[in-house]
Amino acid sequence: QVQLQESGPGLVKPSQTLSLTCTVSGGSISSGSYYWSWIRQPAGKGLEWIGRIYTSGSTNYNPSLKSRVTISVDTSKNQFSLKLSSVTAADTAVYYCARYDVGATDAFDIWGQGTMVTVSS
Amino acid sequence: EIVLTQSPGTLSLSPGERATLSCRASQSVSSSYLAWYQQKPGQAPRLLIYGASSRATGIPDRFSGSGSGTDFTLTISRLEPEDFAVYYCQQYGSSTFTFGPGTKVDIK
Repeated sequence: QVQLQESGPGLVKPSQTLSLTCTVSGGSISSGSYYWSWIRQPAGKGLEWIGRIYTSGSTNYNPSLKSRVTISVDTSKNQFSLKLSSVTAADTAVYYCARYDVGATDAFDIWGQGTMVTVSS
Repeated sequence: EIVLTQSPGTLSLSPGERATLSCRASQSVSSSYLAWYQQKPGQAPRLLIYGASSRATGIPDRFSGSGSGTDFTLTISRLEPEDFAVYYCQQYGSSTFTFGPGTKVDIK
């Protein structure tokens, strides 16, 4: 069964770039029809979709974050990654990677456990 | 961007009672792209309902979804102790995804 695991620094300084990786296990990131996504959640708040990369490599981002976000995929490592530039305290959140099943459920059916990222000097 | 509004913000009920959660969209949403998630403290969200009314794998039949257009509902027929959590609706449209602010179902 497919599992997702986020990894990356838990502390990032203001103005720097936040970098996270999601490792996909139990299946190939290249097979099937999926949007591999990043979603975040500030403490005590709701969920915010950051962006996604399709199996084909095409990307879409949340318009409110688009200028600072890059999502990429490394099929050789079965991973996809998030880069968020020029971070501020407002970017402090739990970051989840998730799989969106296109055409089957059309929903986020598998989630990583989440990783807490704090932006602070 | 489609904005989702959920009501009530908090629902205080007792085990065994029926819970009715509302999700309203700022413009029409395809039912195919409306989902509900459950989140418990310290855990990732879990898919409950997709396509507005289809239960995800392993979800008990006390959970049901309905609605179309701009108004959707999640119903829990009889609350079990493990159902006290936060519930989010989510939609996909115009190549973007949005979530509602959530409804917390807590124990009365």
